[in-house]
Amino acid sequence: SQQGEEDPQALSIQEGENATMNCSYKTSINNLQWYRQNSGRGLVHLILIRSNEREKHSGRLRVTLDTSKKSSSLLITASRAADTASYFCATDNTGNQFYFGTGTSLTVIP
Amino acid sequence: GAGVSQSPSNKVTEKGKDVELRCDPISGHTALYWYRQSLGQGLEFLIYFQGNSAPDKSGLPSDRFSAERTGGSVSTLTIQRTQQEDSAVYLCASNLKVEGYGYTFGSGTRLTVV
Repeated sequence: SQQGEEDPQALSIQEGENATMNCSYKTSINNLQWYRQNSGRGLVHLILIRSNEREKHSGRLRVTLDTSKKSSSLLITASRAADTASYFCATDNTGNQFYFGTGTSLTVIP
Repeated sequence: GAGVSQSPSNKVTEKGKDVELRCDPISGHTALYWYRQSLGQGLEFLIYFQGNSAPDKSGLPSDRFSAERTGGSVSTLTIQRTQQEDSAVYLCASNLKVEGYGYTFGSGTRLTVV
């Protein structure tokens, strides 16, 4: 399976702390994307990192990609209660679909 | 439209009945995807449409599932003779299918088969 795997499955932190989530995958990719899902409904695209990039920033988000280890991490700095959600990584290779992991459930305690 | 629209938001149906789920993608998006998400699980790929090409149906779990996309825009996912294991949130996403662009998801249809 080419499915990404997020780690940890669940994470609980205090507001203001940083949250780090990891994603591992199995095959070569064109790019890797991170999505957020609230209340089990639609996913919101957060950030995309291409296979030739190593790090990318967007606001409080920082994504790294290590293609040699087939892994990525998502760092959310200065977390807020509104960041409480499930976070998924999705890998895009030359096929017709994105492969989503099972997600990390993040709880930010006010 | 401004976003991907899915209808209905929720659907409760009796086992054995047929259901139709609708997805209206962002105007101009050539790629359209259907995914399924069971409670607490990741997303399971179902089917992919790209322009006028033949759809990739490799993710459809059985022949009770079918989908079409009319005029390269609206898509309908049909589940015949629904079973309880079909209960899930069905998500639609669209994309320009240009390298470097993410996917825009609809809010999904929560299907409950009783």
